Amino acid sequence: EAGVAQSPRYKIIEKRQSVAFWCNPISGHATLYWYQQILGQGPKLLIQFQNNGVVDDSQLPKDRFSAERLKGVDSTLKIQPAKLEDSAVYLCASTVVAGVAGYEQYFGPGTRLTVT
Amino acid sequence: SQKIEQNSEALNIQEGKTATLTCNYTNYSPAYLQWYRQDPGRGPVFLLLIRENEKEKRKERLKVTFDTTLKQSLFHITASQPADSATYLCALDLGRGNTPLVFGKGTRLSVIA
Repeated sequence: EAGVAQSPRYKIIEKRQSVAFWCNPISGHATLYWYQQILGQGPKLLIQFQNNGVVDDSQLPKDRFSAERLKGVDSTLKIQPAKLEDSAVYLCASTVVAGVAGYEQYFGPGTRLTVT
Repeated sequence: SQKIEQNSEALNIQEGKTATLTCNYTNYSPAYLQWYRQDPGRGPVFLLLIRENEKEKRKERLKVTFDTTLKQSLFHITASQPADSATYLCALDLGRGNTPLVFGKGTRLSVIA
């Protein structure tokens, strides 16, 4: 079974530029998450999708971040314009079951973003 | 305020010893608690899940305890090996279906040969 795929793995941009990250979850996984992990911290949820609907985006800075999950499969996360404090690893995760607790999440390798 | 704390940023132990990592939380009532391992440059990998009505869970050399009265989980690695060196994250699962996991900062474990 293929894991969660993310691209690119690394990205360096200047502040005020825009950037997009892509995630392909494990086939059949209903729920998809985007997390931000700042160096030395644990992952912090940005947005959660169930199929192609948003379940939780309460911690997404909506003035600059946007995300979509077309057709309930792949997802993209965009930052426009980027700020220095957006430098972090962006992790995508998925879980097979929708709407039920107690299941592990499968994480991709992450995209390391550096904003200069 | 709600907090989840892992006892130390870094823990160094000798090979063969038991590593014990602590996860404490405040003002949460998790139904489950999960532990993940994260290696540098990689995403977290699921290790164990324990339910609120379970006191202890084991998997090979790993053991997790969950004390809802103390609001604490302990994660043990017995007969530790250098390959166990990684960052270990605890995560609270509030058990309400679509609520996301809440992660601690992690403890970086180094097992010295």
